[in-house]
Amino acid sequence: DTEVTQTPKHLVMGMTNKKSLKCEQHMGHRAMYWYKQKAKKPPELMFVYSYEKLSINESVPSRFSPECPNSSLLNLHLHALQPEDSALYLCASSQDPGREQFFGPGTRLTVL
Amino acid sequence: AQSVTQLGSHVSVSEGALVLLRCNYSSSVPPYLFWYVQYPNQGLQLLLKYTTGATLVKGINGFEAEFKKSETSFHLTKPSAHMSDAAEYFCAVDTGTASKLTFGTGTRLQVTL
Repeated sequence: DTEVTQTPKHLVMGMTNKKSLKCEQHMGHRAMYWYKQKAKKPPELMFVYSYEKLSINESVPSRFSPECPNSSLLNLHLHALQPEDSALYLCASSQDPGREQFFGPGTRLTVL
Repeated sequence: AQSVTQLGSHVSVSEGALVLLRCNYSSSVPPYLFWYVQYPNQGLQLLLKYTTGATLVKGINGFEAEFKKSETSFHLTKPSAHMSDAAEYFCAVDTGTASKLTFGTGTRLQVTL
């Protein structure tokens, strides 16, 4: 298996909802990443997990909460989001931190 | 600190023509350099990478890029454009120490008949 999968593909949520995004890879990669991408912009790094531990948090608001239950799985828990949080959320993984990253197809999030 | 500049937010070429997408970087240490392609409503796909060794790097779909340290450049080329090459292209740099990719602002490639 040489891909990163993300579910759901699309998500619409209200500002009071709690939802989660899921990312999975079975390539044995030891680093996993969350990015946020707005239209016509490059991806912006949110979090990095290295060997299942959070190594980088790019000053992301606490309404975004990452979780890495095991080496293959990465979650992003969402709570009390704002409409400006609407974006494409991309997950990526790499063999080790600093190596090339492989991206999933993304979750298109709309916050109403 | 590292940064990436992509000259030209939009490039248009005719089908069969040469594709040249420009990328310049700044880095205080030897960089790892990447080109990614993104089709509408999809994730990013790695086209090619430079880490060490040969400075001319070949990637998927007929693309290649040359690392020129003296010019701090990593331009992406393809001899003959195809309609399916129309997409957004991102150049990225990683020093390998911060575990962070720094992306350029992207170049949208349009291919016309």
